[in-house]
Amino acid sequence: EAGVAQSPRYKIIEKRQSVAFWCNPISGHATLYWYQQILGQGPKLLIQFQNNGVVDDSQLPKDRFSAERLKGVDSTLKIQPAKLEDSAVYLCASSLVIPPPGAYEQYFGPGTRLTVT
Amino acid sequence: LAKTTQPISMDSYEGQEVNITCSHNNIATNDYITWYQQFPSQGPRFIIQGYKTKVTNEVASLFIPADRKSSTLSLPRVSLSDTAVYYCLVGDNGNNRLAFGKGNQVVVIP
Repeated sequence: EAGVAQSPRYKIIEKRQSVAFWCNPISGHATLYWYQQILGQGPKLLIQFQNNGVVDDSQLPKDRFSAERLKGVDSTLKIQPAKLEDSAVYLCASSLVIPPPGAYEQYFGPGTRLTVT
Repeated sequence: LAKTTQPISMDSYEGQEVNITCSHNNIATNDYITWYQQFPSQGPRFIIQGYKTKVTNEVASLFIPADRKSSTLSLPRVSLSDTAVYYCLVGDNGNNRLAFGKGNQVVVIP
């Protein structure tokens, strides 16, 4: 079974530029997540989709970050304009369904390492 | 939010059993306890999940006392490849948000 695919793996941009990340979840997984992981910290959830609808985007900085999952499969995360503090690894994960409270099994992709200079 | 507390780091010798503890005093009745493993330059990987008592799979064992306010992940006979960050998570109170802490950096020494 193929895992969660992400591209690009690495990206270097200057501050105030824009950048986009792509994620292809495991086939059949209805729920898709984007996380931000700053060096030395655990991943922080940015946004969660169920099919093509947003379930939770409470921690997404909406003034600069946006995400979409138009056909309920692939997803893109965009940052515009980027700031120095956006340097991080952006992880995509997927799961079969939104689990009942407390029961989680998510499958993560390798992540995209973003460096903002 | 149910918060977890773990040691920041620990070292272990190859071949030993490693026990990693996690405190979660505010765990909710419906919450499960889940552990993930993360290697450098990779996304986290699910290890094990439990609700109470003991759960064992081919990778690890999870021990949860009756009050469920803590849990212990046990890795038998670790090898160098078990060097990773281990995250303990408990279910958020109802909104399904997966809240990672800083995790526990385990270094296996030859």
